[in-house]
Parts: sequence; C-alpha cells; structure tokens
Amino acid sequence: NAGVTQTPKFQVLKTGQSMTLQCAQDMNHNSMYWYRQDPGMGLRLIYYSASEGTTDKGEVPNGYNVSRLNKREFSLRLESAAPSQTSVYFCASRTGDPNTEAFFGQGTRLTVV
Amino acid sequence: LAKTTQPISMDSYEGQEVNITCSHNNIATNDYITWYQQFPSQGPRFIIQGYKTKVTNEVASLFIPADRKSSTLSLPRVSLSDTAVYYCLVVLNQAGTALIFGKGTTLSVSS
Repeated sequence: NAGVTQTPKFQVLKTGQSMTLQCAQDMNHNSMYWYRQDPGMGLRLIYYSASEGTTDKGEVPNGYNVSRLNKREFSLRLESAAPSQTSVYFCASRTGDPNTEAFFGQGTRLTVV
Repeated sequence: LAKTTQPISMDSYEGQEVNITCSHNNIATNDYITWYQQFPSQGPRFIIQGYKTKVTNEVASLFIPADRKSSTLSLPRVSLSDTAVYYCLVVLNQAGTALIFGKGTTLSVSS
C-alpha cells in the first residue's frame, strides 16, 4: 500500500519556468491538500480539494494553480516559478469525513534559481 | 477556524514526561483538537485527537479541560527518537474541511 505518492522528489527550476507537482493517493480518500514548508516554518496550506471536482484556496494560493484530475490525483502547478517559491511541498489526503486523520507524502524539494 | 498558540521550542531529557500545551481560546462548539508529529525531511503524521476530557493511545495522551480553551499533549518517558516538531490543530467537525497547521513546537530530547 503506497499511501500518498509525490513526484518528483527533487527539482531545480530557473526563474520563470513552469512545472507541475504530481500527487496520487491509493486510499480512496475524498479530500486532498497541498502545503508548502519553508525552513524553520510550519506548514502553510496552498490549496485543497474537499472532494473530486472541487478546489478551494488555502492560506497562500498566489502563484499556484491546482487540478483535481480524478479522485486519486491532485496536481499543483507553478506557471512562472519565482525564487520565493523555493520550498518543500507536501501533499496530503484524508477520507474527508469529520474526525479523520490526514496522511502525507514524502515531499517535493523545489529550488528556484 | 480557531487560532492556536504553542511554545516555539522545548527541551527535555530521555526518560522524562513532556507536556506541550496549546492555547485555542476561540475554539467553536463543532471543533475538535488534533496533534501531528513531524520528523526532519518527512511529512507530518497523526498522533492523537480529542474533543473533551482525556484521550490516550499507545503513543500519547491528550488532556482537554472542560472549557476546551487549551489542550495538553503528554508524551510519557520520551526518548531521543521523539525529537520532532509537534503541531496542534483545531479542526472543524465537518466533511472536507481545511487543515491549518501553525508553526508547531520543536521538541529536542537529549541523553
């Protein structure tokens, strides 16, 4: 059981380049989340999807777009990467029912130069 | 969502009990409290959650007073491997809700 899988694990981008971070879960969860974590900081919610077909902004959505491709997959796109987007990105999922725990992927370490 | 306040850092020694308190003064009736643990270079993982009174599992205990304006995560007899960041979240008891993490408490356990 793979749980939550993020690809790639590491990426270096040049300023202005675009890329998509992929996230897939095999637990039949309804809700999925994207976070960023900067050095010494907690996690900040970028976007989340309460269920297939819906997405909502989190705390820091500017500069990002998301797509809930199907129930399994939730992608995060950087259209024009900036050095301020250098961070570790985590994807998470949970059933979406109240009182349920979230499961996290191993993270994508992104550096924008 | 209720704002949470935790100490930025705590230090302990192996074998001691550690209590991390989280303040959430404006918690709502439909909110519950959950704690996550994060090791370096890993995603957070769930530890424990509760609504009121005391909850205990194989890892920790969670104490919530009657007014629910704070909660305390208790880790019995910590070891070096308990060195991590601990996050307190207040979560709306509703399907598909957002999960908002704060900065957490960095616990350092020494021998």
